[in-house]
Amino acid sequence: DIQMTQSPSAMSASVGDRVTITCRASQGISDYLAWFQQKPGKVPKRLIFAAFTLHSGVPSRFSGSGSGTEFTLTISSLQPEDFATYYCLQHYTYPYTFGQGTKLEI
Amino acid sequence: QVQLLQSGAEVKMPGASVKVSCKASGYSFTTYTISWVRQAPGQGLEWMGWISAFNGDRNYAESLQGRGTMTTDTSTATAYMELRSLRPDDTAVYYCVRDRSGPDAFDLWGQGTMVTVSS
Repeated sequence: DIQMTQSPSAMSASVGDRVTITCRASQGISDYLAWFQQKPGKVPKRLIFAAFTLHSGVPSRFSGSGSGTEFTLTISSLQPEDFATYYCLQHYTYPYTFGQGTKLEI
Repeated sequence: QVQLLQSGAEVKMPGASVKVSCKASGYSFTTYTISWVRQAPGQGLEWMGWISAFNGDRNYAESLQGRGTMTTDTSTATAYMELRSLRPDDTAVYYCVRDRSGPDAFDLWGQGTMVTVSS
């Protein structure tokens, strides 16, 4: 199975900060990497697919980069509504695997 | 409206079975596949498996092998996930997710179904 190691597992930041979250795959996954945001009690929402393509309606302060085994999600200027948990997902090969999540707190 | 609408919350005894439904609307059901993802309370997301709405091909995570079955009914555009021999650690929110081959996947999620396994 491909392991997705997400870091950090939790972090504190302030409104206006630039934040980067990393996902490392235990083997190459091409660009089959998606990022999701989940707020407490809510359904996960896709932010990024194909490693760097912004999902429709997602603010441009979110961006994704990387390919192969290392990927990053960047939020250029944190807004109050961005405090949430973020997950990466590889869907290159079965079983699909999620990172363990990054909880972004104020 | 493009959506996946799941069945309501369930409470089951250990050893029982549960069948969660996921009705698709607003898009061509057989053009996509459906993945199922679960999330135990306070925990992360776990992929459970995948089924093609086109031809019924499926692939299950090891945690589902032998206890779970995914099916689809194209006449009603509904996907189902049945889990048998329930254990307390199956307590989770279960999501169906629209999937497809290629990098553009997991774009549409159901609202989730809470399954509680408790005696």
